[in-house]
Amino acid sequence: GENVEQHPSTLSVQEGDSAVIKCTYSDSASNYFPWYKQELGKRPQLIIDIRSNVGEKKDQRIAVTLNKTAKHFSLHITETQPEDSAVYFCAASITGTYKYIFGTGTRLKVLA
Amino acid sequence: GAVVSQHPSRVICKSGTSVKIECRSLDFQATTMFWYRQFPKQSLMLMATSNEGSKATYEQGVEKDKFLINHASLTLSTLTVTSAHPEDSSFYICSALGLAGGRETQYFGPGTRLLVL
Repeated sequence: GENVEQHPSTLSVQEGDSAVIKCTYSDSASNYFPWYKQELGKRPQLIIDIRSNVGEKKDQRIAVTLNKTAKHFSLHITETQPEDSAVYFCAASITGTYKYIFGTGTRLKVLA
Repeated sequence: GAVVSQHPSRVICKSGTSVKIECRSLDFQATTMFWYRQFPKQSLMLMATSNEGSKATYEQGVEKDKFLINHASLTLSTLTVTSAHPEDSSFYICSALGLAGGRETQYFGPGTRLLVL
Protein backbone atom coordinates (compact mmCIF):
# COMPACT_ATOMS: atom_id res chain seq x y z
CA GLY A 1 0.00 0.00 0.00
CA GLU A 2 0.86 3.66 -0.11
CA ASN A 3 3.43 5.00 2.34
CA VAL A 4 4.10 8.69 2.85
CA GLU A 5 7.19 9.99 4.60
CA GLN A 6 7.50 13.56 5.76
CA HIS A 7 10.51 15.63 6.87
CA PRO A 8 11.44 17.36 9.01
CA SER A 9 9.37 16.42 12.04
CA THR A 10 10.02 19.82 13.61
CA LEU A 11 11.06 23.10 12.04
CA SER A 12 11.81 26.43 13.64
CA VAL A 13 12.25 29.54 11.52
CA GLN A 14 12.54 33.24 12.19
CA GLU A 15 9.57 35.38 11.26
CA GLY A 16 9.91 36.47 7.65
CA ASP A 17 12.06 33.52 6.63
CA SER A 18 10.89 30.69 4.39
CA ALA A 19 9.93 27.19 5.48
CA VAL A 20 10.10 24.06 3.36
CA ILE A 21 8.53 20.72 4.21
CA LYS A 22 9.17 17.66 2.08
CA CYS A 23 7.21 14.47 1.51
CA THR A 24 7.83 11.33 -0.48
CA TYR A 25 5.32 8.72 -1.51
CA SER A 26 5.65 5.16 -2.68
CA ASP A 27 2.64 4.42 -4.89
CA SER A 28 3.12 5.79 -8.40
CA ALA A 29 -0.65 5.55 -8.92
CA SER A 30 -1.28 8.33 -6.38
CA ASN A 31 -2.44 11.41 -8.22
CA TYR A 32 -3.64 13.94 -5.66
CA PHE A 33 -1.55 15.55 -2.92
CA PRO A 34 -3.22 17.85 -0.38
CA TRP A 35 -1.54 19.73 2.44
CA TYR A 36 -3.29 20.35 5.74
CA LYS A 37 -2.58 22.69 8.62
CA GLN A 38 -3.67 21.60 12.08
CA GLU A 39 -3.60 23.80 15.14
CA LEU A 40 -3.55 22.18 18.55
CA GLY A 41 -6.78 20.31 19.26
CA LYS A 42 -8.45 21.51 16.08
CA ARG A 43 -9.46 20.04 12.77
CA PRO A 44 -7.03 19.81 9.86
CA GLN A 45 -7.59 22.62 7.37
CA LEU A 46 -6.77 22.23 3.68
CA ILE A 47 -4.27 24.93 2.71
CA ILE A 48 -3.22 23.88 -0.78
CA ASP A 49 -3.30 20.85 -3.01
CA ILE A 50 -1.76 19.68 -6.25
CA ARG A 51 -2.70 17.09 -8.80
CA SER A 52 -0.29 14.95 -10.76
CA ASN A 53 -0.88 16.76 -14.04
CA VAL A 54 0.91 19.90 -12.78
CA GLY A 55 4.35 20.46 -11.32
CA GLU A 56 3.75 23.55 -9.21
CA LYS A 57 0.93 25.52 -7.67
CA LYS A 58 1.02 28.77 -5.76
CA ASP A 59 -1.42 30.58 -3.53
CA GLN A 60 -0.06 33.83 -2.11
CA ARG A 61 2.69 32.88 0.38
CA ILE A 62 2.18 29.15 -0.04
CA ALA A 63 3.40 26.99 -2.91
CA VAL A 64 3.60 23.29 -3.56
CA THR A 65 5.87 21.49 -6.02
CA LEU A 66 5.54 17.95 -7.30
CA ASN A 67 8.16 15.71 -8.87
CA LYS A 68 6.34 12.64 -10.15
CA THR A 69 9.47 10.91 -11.35
CA ALA A 70 11.10 11.09 -7.95
CA LYS A 71 7.75 10.69 -6.15
CA HIS A 72 8.21 13.64 -3.89
CA PHE A 73 6.37 16.89 -3.25
CA SER A 74 7.14 19.89 -1.11
CA LEU A 75 5.37 22.72 0.66
CA HIS A 76 6.97 26.14 0.60
CA ILE A 77 5.86 28.95 2.89
CA THR A 78 7.45 32.34 2.29
CA GLU A 79 7.51 35.38 4.58
CA THR A 80 6.47 33.25 7.53
CA GLN A 81 4.39 34.78 10.29
CA PRO A 82 3.78 33.62 13.89
CA GLU A 83 0.27 32.52 12.93
CA ASP A 84 1.80 30.02 10.53
CA SER A 85 2.92 28.04 13.60
CA ALA A 86 1.06 24.72 13.54
CA VAL A 87 1.46 21.11 12.51
CA TYR A 88 1.45 20.56 8.77
CA PHE A 89 0.51 17.23 7.18
CA CYS A 90 1.01 16.12 3.63
CA ALA A 91 -1.10 13.37 2.14
CA ALA A 92 -1.27 11.24 -0.97
CA SER A 93 -4.50 10.01 -2.45
CA ILE A 94 -4.78 6.62 -4.06
CA THR A 95 -6.38 6.77 -7.48
CA GLY A 96 -10.11 6.20 -7.50
CA THR A 97 -10.54 5.68 -3.77
CA TYR A 98 -10.25 9.26 -2.43
CA LYS A 99 -8.46 7.71 0.57
CA TYR A 100 -5.75 9.90 2.01
CA ILE A 101 -2.57 8.45 3.44
CA PHE A 102 -1.04 11.08 5.66
CA GLY A 103 2.57 11.85 6.38
CA THR A 104 3.80 11.96 9.95
CA GLY A 105 3.48 15.71 10.28
CA THR A 106 5.83 18.66 10.71
CA ARG A 107 5.58 20.94 13.71
CA LEU A 108 6.42 24.41 12.43
CA LYS A 109 7.33 27.11 14.89
CA VAL A 110 7.76 30.66 13.64
CA LEU A 111 9.77 32.73 16.06
CA ALA A 112 8.85 36.39 16.37
CA GLY B 1 -19.68 25.95 2.47
CA ALA B 2 -18.46 22.37 3.08
CA VAL B 3 -18.87 22.34 6.86
CA VAL B 4 -18.54 19.11 8.78
CA SER B 5 -19.61 18.78 12.40
CA GLN B 6 -18.94 16.13 15.01
CA HIS B 7 -20.72 15.33 18.21
CA PRO B 8 -19.76 15.10 20.97
CA SER B 9 -16.58 17.16 20.98
CA ARG B 10 -15.38 15.47 24.13
CA VAL B 11 -16.47 12.35 25.99
CA ILE B 12 -15.29 10.56 29.09
CA CYS B 13 -16.56 7.06 29.72
CA LYS B 14 -15.87 4.06 31.90
CA SER B 15 -14.04 1.03 30.58
CA GLY B 16 -16.42 -1.48 29.04
CA THR B 17 -19.04 1.00 27.89
CA SER B 18 -19.84 1.96 24.29
CA VAL B 19 -19.55 5.42 22.84
CA LYS B 20 -21.19 6.76 19.69
CA ILE B 21 -19.70 9.62 17.71
CA GLU B 22 -21.68 11.40 15.02
CA CYS B 23 -20.27 13.04 11.91
CA ARG B 24 -22.50 15.32 9.86
CA SER B 25 -22.02 17.21 6.63
CA LEU B 26 -24.04 20.36 7.25
CA ASP B 27 -24.38 21.97 3.84
CA PHE B 28 -23.60 19.25 1.37
CA GLN B 29 -24.31 15.61 0.76
CA ALA B 30 -21.51 13.14 1.24
CA THR B 31 -21.77 9.64 -0.12
CA THR B 32 -18.37 8.92 1.35
CA MET B 33 -17.03 9.74 4.78
CA PHE B 34 -13.81 8.70 6.47
CA TRP B 35 -12.92 8.01 10.07
CA TYR B 36 -9.45 8.70 11.46
CA ARG B 37 -7.78 8.27 14.80
CA GLN B 38 -5.04 10.57 15.98
CA PHE B 39 -2.89 9.90 19.04
CA PRO B 40 -1.09 12.83 20.70
CA LYS B 41 1.60 14.33 18.50
CA GLN B 42 1.03 11.71 15.84
CA SER B 43 -0.45 11.63 12.38
CA LEU B 44 -3.99 10.90 11.30
CA MET B 45 -4.44 7.17 10.83
CA LEU B 46 -7.27 6.14 8.53
CA MET B 47 -9.55 3.64 10.26
CA ALA B 48 -12.28 3.10 7.71
CA THR B 49 -14.14 4.41 4.71
CA SER B 50 -17.86 4.84 5.20
CA ASN B 51 -20.15 4.69 2.17
CA GLU B 52 -23.79 5.64 2.35
CA GLY B 53 -26.04 2.61 2.16
CA SER B 54 -23.29 0.01 2.24
CA LYS B 55 -20.85 -1.58 4.63
CA ALA B 56 -17.80 0.34 5.69
CA THR B 57 -14.38 -0.66 4.44
CA TYR B 58 -11.89 -1.04 7.26
CA GLU B 59 -8.16 -0.56 7.09
CA GLN B 60 -5.86 -3.39 7.99
CA GLY B 61 -5.59 -3.88 11.73
CA VAL B 62 -8.83 -2.08 12.59
CA GLU B 63 -11.40 -4.35 14.25
CA LYS B 64 -14.75 -3.89 12.55
CA ASP B 65 -16.64 -5.43 15.47
CA LYS B 66 -15.08 -2.97 17.86
CA PHE B 67 -15.48 0.13 15.73
CA LEU B 68 -18.98 -0.02 14.27
CA ILE B 69 -19.68 2.39 11.45
CA ASN B 70 -23.09 3.27 10.11
CA HIS B 71 -23.66 5.65 7.21
CA ALA B 72 -27.44 5.72 7.11
CA SER B 73 -27.93 8.97 5.19
CA LEU B 74 -26.06 11.28 2.85
CA THR B 75 -25.28 13.66 5.70
CA LEU B 76 -24.62 11.40 8.68
CA SER B 77 -22.10 8.74 9.59
CA THR B 78 -21.66 7.33 13.08
CA LEU B 79 -18.75 5.56 14.73
CA THR B 80 -19.48 3.45 17.79
CA VAL B 81 -16.57 2.36 19.91
CA THR B 82 -17.85 -0.79 21.59
CA SER B 83 -16.59 -2.02 24.95
CA ALA B 84 -14.14 0.85 25.13
CA HIS B 85 -10.84 0.39 26.96
CA PRO B 86 -8.23 2.93 28.05
CA GLU B 87 -6.12 2.19 24.99
CA ASP B 88 -9.00 3.42 22.82
CA SER B 89 -8.54 6.90 24.26
CA SER B 90 -7.69 9.10 21.33
CA PHE B 91 -8.80 11.96 19.10
CA TYR B 92 -11.28 10.67 16.53
CA ILE B 93 -11.77 12.78 13.42
CA CYS B 94 -14.15 12.26 10.55
CA SER B 95 -14.07 13.75 7.10
CA ALA B 96 -16.63 13.99 4.35
CA LEU B 97 -15.94 13.94 0.66
CA GLY B 98 -17.22 17.11 -0.97
CA LEU B 99 -16.70 19.28 -4.02
CA ALA B 100 -14.11 22.04 -4.16
CA GLY B 101 -13.46 23.80 -7.43
CA GLY B 102 -15.37 21.11 -9.25
CA ARG B 103 -13.27 18.32 -7.78
CA GLU B 104 -13.76 16.15 -4.74
CA THR B 105 -11.74 16.69 -1.60
CA GLN B 106 -12.04 15.79 2.08
CA TYR B 107 -13.44 18.23 4.61
CA PHE B 108 -12.67 17.44 8.22
CA GLY B 109 -14.82 17.61 11.30
CA PRO B 110 -13.55 19.24 14.51
CA GLY B 111 -12.78 15.90 16.13
CA THR B 112 -13.97 14.07 19.23
CA ARG B 113 -11.64 13.56 22.15
CA LEU B 114 -12.39 10.25 23.83
CA LEU B 115 -11.04 9.42 27.27
CA VAL B 116 -11.73 5.95 28.63
CA LEU B 117 -11.15 5.56 32.34
